[in-house]
Amino acid sequence: TQLLEQSPQFLSIQEGENLTVYCNSSSVFSSLQWYRQEPGEGPVLLVTVVTGGEVKKLKRLTFQFGDARKDSSLHITAAQPGDTGLYLCAGVSTNAGKSTFGDGTTLTVKP
Amino acid sequence: DVKVTQSSRYLVKRTGEKVFLECVQDMDHENMFWYRQDPGLGLRLIYFSYDVKMKEKGDIPEGYSVSREKKERFSLILESASTNQTSMYLCASSLSRTGLREQFFGPGTRLTVL
Repeated sequence: TQLLEQSPQFLSIQEGENLTVYCNSSSVFSSLQWYRQEPGEGPVLLVTVVTGGEVKKLKRLTFQFGDARKDSSLHITAAQPGDTGLYLCAGVSTNAGKSTFGDGTTLTVKP
Repeated sequence: DVKVTQSSRYLVKRTGEKVFLECVQDMDHENMFWYRQDPGLGLRLIYFSYDVKMKEKGDIPEGYSVSREKKERFSLILESASTNQTSMYLCASSLSRTGLREQFFGPGTRLTVL
């Protein structure tokens, strides 16, 4: 069974601070996705990373895929209250028919 | 934009009732999924489908069944609802079995079984 561990589980910070969320596994993934979910809504896709070592930027969000394609990180610069939500990573394996989701990091950004 | 819609945002049912949750996607996606989401347990896959009339069990299929008679529609059925099936149910779709398999989610149905 493939597992994705996310850390930290909860994070509460002040507006303007920087933060990093981690997604780790012992399995290799062909690609990995990050989603954000707001309370009472479904997750929304933020980004997909495919190549080992790949870095993608989405405004203040920076996503990195580990060289061995087993882990990923999400860094947010100058967090804003609008960044508040549950961040989920999901790994995709070539041979598996389904994605593996992490348990998520709940981020609260206080004004 | 891909749109995934779910028939109800909130649903309250009684123990023993048969419950139907409907999901429709408008982008001709091959794959569709049903998850439930509970605090501390993350997203758990109930069933998924690669094609019309095809279904595969996910991690927690017990107590549930599914139907996919048309490509755009995937239904989740609780034959006899129980209180431990109170949860947030999320439907998702993705383009195909190969490639990036990015999933697009509906808004969710919060089901309460009394």
